Amino acid sequence: DTEVTQTPKHLVMGMTNKKSLKCEQHMGHRAMYWYKQKAKKPPELMFVYSYEKLSINESVPSRFSPECPNSSLLNLHLHALQPEDSALYLCASSQESSQPYEQYFGPGTRLTVT
Amino acid sequence: GNSVTQMEGPVTLSEEAFLTINCTYTATGYPSLFWYVQYPGEGLQLLLKATKADDKGSNKGFEATYRKETTSFHLEKGSVQVSDSAVYFCALISRGYGNNRLAFGKGNQVVVIP
Repeated sequence: DTEVTQTPKHLVMGMTNKKSLKCEQHMGHRAMYWYKQKAKKPPELMFVYSYEKLSINESVPSRFSPECPNSSLLNLHLHALQPEDSALYLCASSQESSQPYEQYFGPGTRLTVT
Repeated sequence: GNSVTQMEGPVTLSEEAFLTINCTYTATGYPSLFWYVQYPGEGLQLLLKATKADDKGSNKGFEATYRKETTSFHLEKGSVQVSDSAVYFCALISRGYGNNRLAFGKGNQVVVIP
């Protein structure tokens, strides 16, 4: 099973709202990732968690706050977003982050900020 | 640094035609190479991979061969179907580069006409 699940599938939020995106994998992977994808562009890396510790933050604004409660779960907390944050948010996982293992992606959350 | 170059522009072809999407790369270390496919409204799916020179990855009738001498990983399919319409991303991770950063090409929209 190479499945990564994400909820919700769609999310519409105002600029003053607080919401969370959730991601789950049961492949025993120890690395998990958040990506942002704008239309017709490749995904852009936001955060990397390795063994439940944040190892990369690609200078993402603080209105995005990641959390890794355990090895299977990854959250992205959203607060005071801007309309330009509207995008597809993809979660991914891999066996480890220190070796070039393939990454498996979830179906994404389509976020619209109004 | 690592980079991936894909041929410019969308690819439009008729059902049962031969598909080629070019991909070339520059990388430090010893990269693993991937093709991901993204169907409309979905996340990225790993289509195939190759981890060392001369490896051939294959899946669902698609093939790509890791050519170190030409730093290329071109994607081919002998007879496309309408269901192959999607965006295709070439990507790499370089061993020794650290933290498993996927470098993506810009992607190619493939449209298969019945």
